[in-house]
Order: sequence, then structure tokens, then C-alpha cells
Amino acid sequence: DTAVSQTPKYLVTQMGNDKSIKCEQNLGHDTMYWYKQDSKKFLKIMFSYNNKELIINETVPNRFSPKSPDKAHLNLHINSLELGDSAVYFCASSQLLGNTEAFFGQGTRLTVV
Amino acid sequence: GESVGLHLPTLSVQEGDNSIINCAYSNSASDYFIWYKQESGKGPQFIIDIRSNMDKRQGQRVTVLLNKTVKHLSLQIAATQPGDSAVYFCAENTGFQKLVFGTGTRLLVSP
Repeated sequence: DTAVSQTPKYLVTQMGNDKSIKCEQNLGHDTMYWYKQDSKKFLKIMFSYNNKELIINETVPNRFSPKSPDKAHLNLHINSLELGDSAVYFCASSQLLGNTEAFFGQGTRLTVV
Repeated sequence: GESVGLHLPTLSVQEGDNSIINCAYSNSASDYFIWYKQESGKGPQFIIDIRSNMDKRQGQRVTVLLNKTVKHLSLQIAATQPGDSAVYFCAENTGFQKLVFGTGTRLLVSP
């Protein structure tokens, strides 16, 4: 069973479109995250949620809107996609906020053309 | 313009050698550290962690060393195998409820 699963794995879309990435974890964790990995492999946190509540928003443009319908799901909706949004987006979960290991999904490679 | 200092450092070793990957962390208040391995096309995978009240922790073929005086973390891999080829990241809990990742090191293992 996949612990943290995100869909789709690949997403190619045109500038200006709106798209969503879904994430689900079956680990029973309270905390979920979105990370962005750029072409240089740098991993940067975007958001964290704890029990469906937003905890961290790392100065991400408001075109990015996370939604957590329950603590097992954290989806990422992106409006008005820009070329610079092209990256790999990783969902992760952990039992505690920041102080235990985070389990990562396989990533969603977003390409904006 | 050209990006400076953003090329991924690479460590090339022969199969069977011991590998040491280093990481300088930023926050002296950080109390928890993790090493992750990321293979091509996959998400980061937990290798080993260490809390700030320790200076060494051993796993299977891996050892993490923590030097709080100089804010330095290292990952030692014994008898490196081709399957160890990946990008390795250190991450620190800075006390702001998030893990902050380092820039990563690419490990290339030649048979």
C-alpha cells in the first residue's frame, strides 16, 4: 500500500490554466505538507497543515490554494499558471509538525508551456 | 544572468568504498536533523535521523554525525553500492514547525 500518494504524476498545461494536484496519506498522520522542487533539486516548503488547519504558508503566491477536506487529504489548486510554476511538487506527511520524519509522495512533475 | 553556487555538488566513489556526505546547517536552535535519499523520479526517502542531544547515530551501513559547535552534519555510508547512487539531502527542524532542506549532494557510485 502506498503511504503518501499524489495524482497526477505528470501534468503538462498551458499558461493561464487552472490545475489541481491531489494528495492522500494512509499513515494516520496529523500533518501534511506541500514542497516544491526546482530544476536545481532545491526543495522548499510551501504549506503545512495540521488537522486540516493551515500552519505554514511560506510566502507562496495566492494563486496557490491548498485545501484539506480531512486530515488524510491535502490538495493543491493553482490558478493562472505561469511558466515559473514548472517544477516537481511533493506532498508529504508526518506525525508531528517538523519534529519527526516526513514521508513523501512520488511527486507531480508540472510543466507549464 | 548565470546562477552562482547552485550546481548540485557531486561525490563520485567506487563500489565498496566508504562515502561521506557533508552538510552545513543554518540555525543553531535546530534540534532535529534528517538525512533523505532521493532517487531519480522518486520522492525523498528517509535514511536516518538524529536529535540535538546526540552526536552520533548508527543505522544499517549508515552513520550520522552531528557537530553542533560548527553546525555540521555528515552522513557516512559504509561499503557503498551502486544502488546508493542518488541525491542526498540533509534537513533540519529549525523550531518553526517545518523541515528545511539543504541543497543536496549527488552521489555517483561506479561499479
